[in-house]
Amino acid sequence: QVLLVQSGAEVKKPGASVKLSCKASGYSFDSFDIIWVRQAPGQGLEWMGAISAGSGHTKYAERVQGRVTMTTDTSTNTAYLELRSLRSDDTAVYYCTRNYYGWGGYWGQGTLVTVSS
Amino acid sequence: QSALTQPASVSASPGQSITISCTGAFGYISGYNFVAWYQQHPGKAPKLIIFDVSNRPSGISTRFSGSKSGNTASLTISGLQPEDESVYYCSSYTRTNTQWVFGGGTKLTVL
Repeated sequence: QVLLVQSGAEVKKPGASVKLSCKASGYSFDSFDIIWVRQAPGQGLEWMGAISAGSGHTKYAERVQGRVTMTTDTSTNTAYLELRSLRSDDTAVYYCTRNYYGWGGYWGQGTLVTVSS
Repeated sequence: QSALTQPASVSASPGQSITISCTGAFGYISGYNFVAWYQQHPGKAPKLIIFDVSNRPSGISTRFSGSKSGNTASLTISGLQPEDESVYYCSSYTRTNTQWVFGGGTKLTVL
């Protein structure tokens, strides 16, 4: 079955960087896009961007453009999200999800990133 | 103005049916059948329950159905069960902007 397993919680200081991972299994990794979505505490969902696991082509949300890099490693079936110059409003649970007919059909368990001085 | 607007909350009793609306602005919903609904229980990842307006992923109960009229999409849950109590998010995109947008979420309380 399709499974996405994300890395553990992170605590970072403002201005630092964080790199999250999302290890996929149960399907042909390079055949599907991985999308990253985040959710601030008590808030709604926010699309951050997407990466084609096969080609590496990316598309980022304007709000994080310039601070975010999404990559994949097809040798380990792992997707990565790096976010730089962290701010307090980057505190959120970050989810990876696999494309399913254009939507998030399979989700990781989420990674909590806390940005605090 | 938000791209997608949902009611903040809705409540009903077990066995009843409810409908949650999602109204699109800036061209979302009206021009395309790119609408999805997610269910999210506390502390859990969202779960796709409807995609492309009215399609159910494999394994999703037929009690969940979706529709669209003009710039408003709707999620209907029939025969409410206690486990349906959750937050429901609508989502949409367009052909010119493939970035997903989400509604603010609707908390469903099953009384």
